Amino acid sequence: QVQLQESGPGLVKPSETLSLTCTVSGGSISSYYWSWIRQPAGKGLEWIGRIYTSGSTNYNPSLKSRVTMSVDTSKNQFSLKLSSVTAADTAVYYCARYRGELSTYYFDYWGQGTLVTVSS
Amino acid sequence: SSELTQDPAVSVALGQTVRITCQGDSLRSYYASWYQQKPGQAPVLVIYGKNNRPSGIPDRFSGSSSGNTASLTITGAQAEDEADYYCNSRDSSGNPNVVFGGGTKLTVL
Repeated sequence: QVQLQESGPGLVKPSETLSLTCTVSGGSISSYYWSWIRQPAGKGLEWIGRIYTSGSTNYNPSLKSRVTMSVDTSKNQFSLKLSSVTAADTAVYYCARYRGELSTYYFDYWGQGTLVTVSS
Repeated sequence: SSELTQDPAVSVALGQTVRITCQGDSLRSYYASWYQQKPGQAPVLVIYGKNNRPSGIPDRFSGSSSGNTASLTITGAQAEDEADYYCNSRDSSGNPNVVFGGGTKLTVL
């Protein structure tokens, strides 16, 4: 059973960079797409972006200028950096495995989520 | 369009059937996938593709699609089905971006 676990600071100051890592266990990170998704309190899900194990990325156009994703296959980890954060970036951040096949695109495994608060 | 629209709230009597819908242009090209999210928990995939259930998802959950509308049907809703439900699909603009619906709060009466 594939498991994902987010890790990183729970508190980030405004204008600084949010950094999170997702560790994948129970399976290889290779040959899959991996994504970050966030959810502000009481609101819906927002896709941040995806990364393939080759390092190829696609980002949400609304966040593209501030997002960087990377992958470390030797550690079975992938990471998110979101720069110049504001209070609007306060949310629960999830990592998830992304699958795309036969005209369907879905997230089959999710981490438990980690709350990141942007505050001074 | 890159938007998916869901009704904010739906209710169903215990044991009855409920349909939760998701509308968007991208659904003319791609199937929707559906997630159940209970308070304080991560979303769980319940339906993907034409009508596929991951292992462990009860068969009272089913999916369908027509035109620009996808539907998640729960046949014989149980108390434990009370949750938020989100649809997602790929952006129809040609970019490999992902879009989510705004979510539907299902109340089981």
